[in-house]
Amino acid sequence: SQTIHQWPATLVQPVGSPLSLECTVEGTSNPNLYWYRQAAGRGLQLLFYSVGIGQISSEVPQNLSASRPQDRQFILSSKKLLLSDSGFYLCAWRLAGGSGRELFFGEGSRLTVL
Amino acid sequence: GQNIDQPTEMTATEGAIVQINCTYQTSGFNGLFWYQQHAGEAPTFLSYNVLDGLEEKGRFSSFLSRSKGYSYLLLKELQMKDSASYLCAVANDYKLSFGAGTTVTVRA
Repeated sequence: SQTIHQWPATLVQPVGSPLSLECTVEGTSNPNLYWYRQAAGRGLQLLFYSVGIGQISSEVPQNLSASRPQDRQFILSSKKLLLSDSGFYLCAWRLAGGSGRELFFGEGSRLTVL
Repeated sequence: GQNIDQPTEMTATEGAIVQINCTYQTSGFNGLFWYQQHAGEAPTFLSYNVLDGLEEKGRFSSFLSRSKGYSYLLLKELQMKDSASYLCAVANDYKLSFGAGTTVTVRA
């Protein structure tokens, strides 16, 4: 069966510090990978998605970046965090191709920027 | 782009029925999903519609009308554990775009 893990689960960072969130998927090959952010009391905002190694599509211009160094690894980074980067970050995966492909979410990473 | 609208909050009594509506405007459509999200947790999949009509899954049902850009999620025999946020999401090619979610509060 497929599993998805992301870490760390919780972090508190000062403004201007770097960020690295990591996500890995097991039990499937060539998944579509996603990073979403959810601000307090808000919906899910798609930040990045990837359909293959080294292929990153950005949905929202900001000070975040994403990388996919391996097939089942997706990393979200920032060189300098802003207060507005606080939120609940969710990694997700989806089977490539076909229809009825639901999105499976990781456990989430709660980031507080102070 | 995508525009997905759903009510912000709904309240219902234990054992009752609640219907959560979702309207959408999209540049492409590959299906509509409903997710449940409890506070502080990741969303979990509830249902998927790609053709018009009703899909039933136990106490939960979801309906889709593509011509009207409209879906609803029906929760029957409400239980306290159903108190959560319910997210409508539209698929377009590689992406799922989510509405802001509807917070359902079930009261005893």
